[in-house]
Amino acid sequence: DIQMTQSPSTLSASVGDRVTITCRASRGISNWVAWYQQKPGKAPQLLIYTASTLQSGVPSRFSGSGFGTEFTLSISSLQPDDFATYYCLQYTNSWTFGQGTKVEIK
Amino acid sequence: EVQVVESGGGLVQPGGSLRLSCAASAFTVSGSFMSWVRQAPGEGLEWVSIIYSGGNTYYADSVKGRFTISRDNSKNTLFLQMNSLTVEDTAVYFCTIVTNYYMDVWGIGTTVTVSS
Repeated sequence: DIQMTQSPSTLSASVGDRVTITCRASRGISNWVAWYQQKPGKAPQLLIYTASTLQSGVPSRFSGSGFGTEFTLSISSLQPDDFATYYCLQYTNSWTFGQGTKVEIK
Repeated sequence: EVQVVESGGGLVQPGGSLRLSCAASAFTVSGSFMSWVRQAPGEGLEWVSIIYSGGNTYYADSVKGRFTISRDNSKNTLFLQMNSLTVEDTAVYFCTIVTNYYMDVWGIGTTVTVSS
C-alpha cells in the first residue's frame, strides 16, 4: 500500500501569509495527487487534481506542484476563508489520504 | 446541478447491519465511477469502497468481506451495505463521484454510530 505523509499537522498563519503544505508518498506515484479543503461539519471540496491542475472555480491563490514522491499545496496570500483543514490524496494505486493539515489563525 | 445526497445513517449495535443510500441528481450512477469515503470523529479521511461504471468493485482492507457496494440503476442510487459493524466503523460516510480516479463531487455525508 502507498502511504502519504502530510506535514505539518498544524500550521499557524496570518491573513496575507504564503503557506505551503507537503505530502510525501512512500513510493513514486507520477502526478496522481489531488488536494481538498474541508471546513468543520462540511464535506471536503476539491481544489487541485493531477498535482497541479486547479479545479474550476477555485481561486488562483491556490497552486499545487510535484511529481514522483513529493507534492506541495501552496496558498499565495492566505485569506480569512482559507482557515480550514487540507488533505492530499494519492489515486495511482488504490486511494490513500494524507493525515491532514489544519491551517489556523496565528 | 450534479449532486449526491446520502441517507440511511443511524445508531446501530456492534455486530449489526446498516444500508446507506446515495441518491444521484443530474447524472447517471450507472455511467459513473462512485465511491464511499468515511471520516471517524476528529479524524482524517479514509477511502472505503468504489464501483466502476463497468461494475467492478474494490474495498479497503478494513471493510473487505463486511461491506458491499452496489447500485440500482432504475433508482439512480448507490448503496453501501455494512455488516458485522464494530465501533471502529463509527464515522461520517460520504458518497462521492469519481472523475479520472479522484474524488470530485461529494455529498454532505451521513453519520453512522456503532455503540451498545
